[in-house]
Amino acid sequence: LAKTTQPISMDSYEGQEVNITCSHNNIATNDYITWYQQFPSQGPRFIIQGYKTKVTNEVASLFIPADRKSSTLSLPRVSLSDTAVYYCLVGDSNYQLIWGAGTKLIIKP
Amino acid sequence: ETGVTQTPRHLVMGMTNKKSLKCEQHLGHNAMYWYKQSAKKPLELMFVYSLEERVENNSVPSRFSPECPNSSHLFLHLHTLQPEDSALYLCASSQALENTIYFGEGSWLTVV
Repeated sequence: LAKTTQPISMDSYEGQEVNITCSHNNIATNDYITWYQQFPSQGPRFIIQGYKTKVTNEVASLFIPADRKSSTLSLPRVSLSDTAVYYCLVGDSNYQLIWGAGTKLIIKP
Repeated sequence: ETGVTQTPRHLVMGMTNKKSLKCEQHLGHNAMYWYKQSAKKPLELMFVYSLEERVENNSVPSRFSPECPNSSHLFLHLHTLQPEDSALYLCASSQALENTIYFGEGSWLTVV
């Protein structure tokens, strides 16, 4: 079973900021939090990874509170092309991550 | 372009056929993986290779046979598959086992 819980689906509109929250109540001390994006008929694409506080790259930001029991992926000013499934994964070894169903994000014009 | 190339992108095979999926990574990585993604099921890790040695086999049926001739190439040999094996098969690679994993675009397999 996946170690994370995230919404099954979300809708938003072009130009908005989208925040997807993931719960991981049983996160272990050595676990990292990793987010992937997957478009239909393609392999997942790495977005961002973090351990605590805040991580930002050219694509997204990842906010992790002090207790690390949840995390929020923030996508600034989304476009239609951001419509995809977003996976939140937790683990201390990247290849042993257990994948869940992800969050299907739909961006509307 | 992800740096991980899979061929063919689509494959239809009968249950008595023998076919192979090919993966090549151009990232200089030392670890390669096969994953399976079925409709309405989460991504499942099938095989892991590190420095051309298999390090994990997650109870995958013997009708799936991996081969890693070098650190840049990975094959998945398929024989006597079942219709329920129809899925998207994803190859991936990473610099080392603990590093970020990069996926290819996948090979869609349909078993008829």
